[in-house]
Amino acid sequence: AQSVTQLDSQVPVFEEAPVELRCNYSSSVSVYLFWYVQYPNQGLQLLLKYLSGSTLVKGINGFEAEFNKSQTSFHLRKPSVHISDTAEYFCAVRRFSGTYKYIFGTGTRLKVLA
Amino acid sequence: DVKVTQSSRYLVKRTGEKVFLECVQDMDHENMFWYRQDPGLGLRLIYFSYDVKMKEKGDIPEGYSVSREKKERFSLILESASTNQTSMYLCASSWRGPEETQYFGPGTRLLVL
Repeated sequence: AQSVTQLDSQVPVFEEAPVELRCNYSSSVSVYLFWYVQYPNQGLQLLLKYLSGSTLVKGINGFEAEFNKSQTSFHLRKPSVHISDTAEYFCAVRRFSGTYKYIFGTGTRLKVLA
Repeated sequence: DVKVTQSSRYLVKRTGEKVFLECVQDMDHENMFWYRQDPGLGLRLIYFSYDVKMKEKGDIPEGYSVSREKKERFSLILESASTNQTSMYLCASSWRGPEETQYFGPGTRLLVL
């Protein structure tokens, strides 16, 4: 079975500071990895995903994530955050085959302070 | 642009009522999903469907059923609503491949009194 752990439930950060949101996963099989963002009162939308190839993945709005197979991590980073990045961020995994199910983490609430 | 719409943004129901939540997608996606979102618990899968009339239970199917009579429409049914089903309900759809992005609707916030 797969599981996803987002260690930080809330992350406050000042505007223009860098941020890292942590995601660790557990799986005995190969998985695809995703980061989704949920702005207030909206559904989730895809930020970026890792399928294969380069372990550094760039997404929308200046976010990037690095896949680390040995540490089973997929941390999300942004070098300089804006007030508009205030949102909840979800890490998710999906097996290469055998199921249509995604497994989501519990989310990290990013609060950008002026 | 992919569009996933949900029939209501906010819904208030009484305990014991039968509740229907509707979801429609316009991208001809094979897969459709229903999640509930609760603070501190993230998204939990209730049911998903990989084709018309096909469905599989997710992680928390108890108290829910689903219907998919047409490819674009996926309904979640609460047979007899209870207060512990007060939550945010999110619908999503995707193409069949495991690498495919899920597209989410705006959510329905359900309050059961």
